[in-house]
Amino acid sequence: DVKVTQSSRYLVKRTGEKVFLECVQDMDHENMFWYRQDPGLGLRLIYFSYDVKMKEKGDIPEGYSVSREKKERFSLILESASTNQTSMYLCASIGPGQGTYEQYFGPGTRLTVT
Amino acid sequence: AQSVTQLDSQVPVFEEAPVELRCNYSSSVSVYLFWYVQYPNQGLQLLLKYLSGSTLVKGINGFEAEFNKSQTSFHLRKPSVHISDTAEYFCAVSEEYGNKLVFGAGTILRVKS
Repeated sequence: DVKVTQSSRYLVKRTGEKVFLECVQDMDHENMFWYRQDPGLGLRLIYFSYDVKMKEKGDIPEGYSVSREKKERFSLILESASTNQTSMYLCASIGPGQGTYEQYFGPGTRLTVT
Repeated sequence: AQSVTQLDSQVPVFEEAPVELRCNYSSSVSVYLFWYVQYPNQGLQLLLKYLSGSTLVKGINGFEAEFNKSQTSFHLRKPSVHISDTAEYFCAVSEEYGNKLVFGAGTILRVKS
């Protein structure tokens, strides 16, 4: 089974702090994604990466950056956390040759910025 | 640009009743369509997908969906729901394999006894 893990389930940070959210997948997937989930808005794509050291902006990249130094790991960085970044963050991955076209999701990190 | 509209934010239903969760999408090209489910405090799990072929798609837990190209819809149905089906359901569309999914706002299904 594909496994996508996220470093924390719950995180509380202060305004202005630098925050790192880590995501690791164990299936050698090429593509990885970071989404933000808010009530009534569904999931919105922040950034995605289709290879090591490659990244592309999604629909709401402002205030975020990402890092992909190794194929299995995709990090989301909040350079200076703000209260409007309080949200649930979900990581997903998908690999080439997967006939299912299914993105596999991690359990999510609920971030609160105070 | 793609977009997905889930027409109901919440659907209350009694146990063993049928349910339909509605999803409409807009896209100028061929699409791949998905329904995901999120149980409380968990990540998303794929229920079913439409890639091509038969327009009636069967998924896990007794759910099915029908792709209607002329109406640009992909409604999710189950003939008899259980308490354990209480969750949030998301419809999503992708125009390209491996690329980003565009999600609807979600529908919370509440099954009552």
